[in-house]
Amino acid sequence: DAKTTQPNSMESNEEEPVHLPCNHSTISGTDYIHWYRQLPSQGPEYVIHGLTSNVNNRMASLAIAEDRKSSTLILHRATLRDAAVYYCIPYRHSGGGADGLTFGKGTHLIIQP
Amino acid sequence: KAGVTQTPRYLIKTRGQQVTLSCSPISGHRSVSWYQQTPGQGLQFLFEYFSETQRNKGNFPGRFSGRQFSNSRSEMNVSTLELGDSALYLCASSPSGSRGGYGYTFGSGTRLTVV
Repeated sequence: DAKTTQPNSMESNEEEPVHLPCNHSTISGTDYIHWYRQLPSQGPEYVIHGLTSNVNNRMASLAIAEDRKSSTLILHRATLRDAAVYYCIPYRHSGGGADGLTFGKGTHLIIQP
Repeated sequence: KAGVTQTPRYLIKTRGQQVTLSCSPISGHRSVSWYQQTPGQGLQFLFEYFSETQRNKGNFPGRFSGRQFSNSRSEMNVSTLELGDSALYLCASSPSGSRGGYGYTFGSGTRLTVV
């Protein structure tokens, strides 16, 4: 599995953009980059995933470096509800012995009102 | 659209007993995965089922087992419970699991306490 490095914690202000970085320098060429978040007392929640191109959805944007060794999750306008632990997970969709999602320690995002 | 439903939400068992946890995936999702979350080890993959077949398995002892039914509902069983099995057990579903290009939807989990 590709190893990931994320900051232990980040702090941001409400209604401002948040950029959450992730380094995955050993990522395989066929690994997608998934992002999940976990709010207190809840199961993880899917945020977004991509392979090479930048991706957008209603929750966030994912910017993937050209060499794919890093990516950034962008929350365009943070709210208090975005306070959570964010996990960056390289994941191979080809199956056949895949070990499921490998969650690291993630980044604890704190939003100040 | 109903989400992933896990029952029961909370469970207390005694060492040596066995326990069965249930997961109902989102309608139309054929893949169900199970994870264990503890403060010390974080979130760890247990196994994945697709169309009633176990497709992938994590590094857990044989006391942990599961199955999937024809309606995609899944159960997870832990036999001979140990204190260290106390954890939040999470179920996740997706249309095709590890062989599709989709994300996973997680349930709220079953909190198991072994005393």
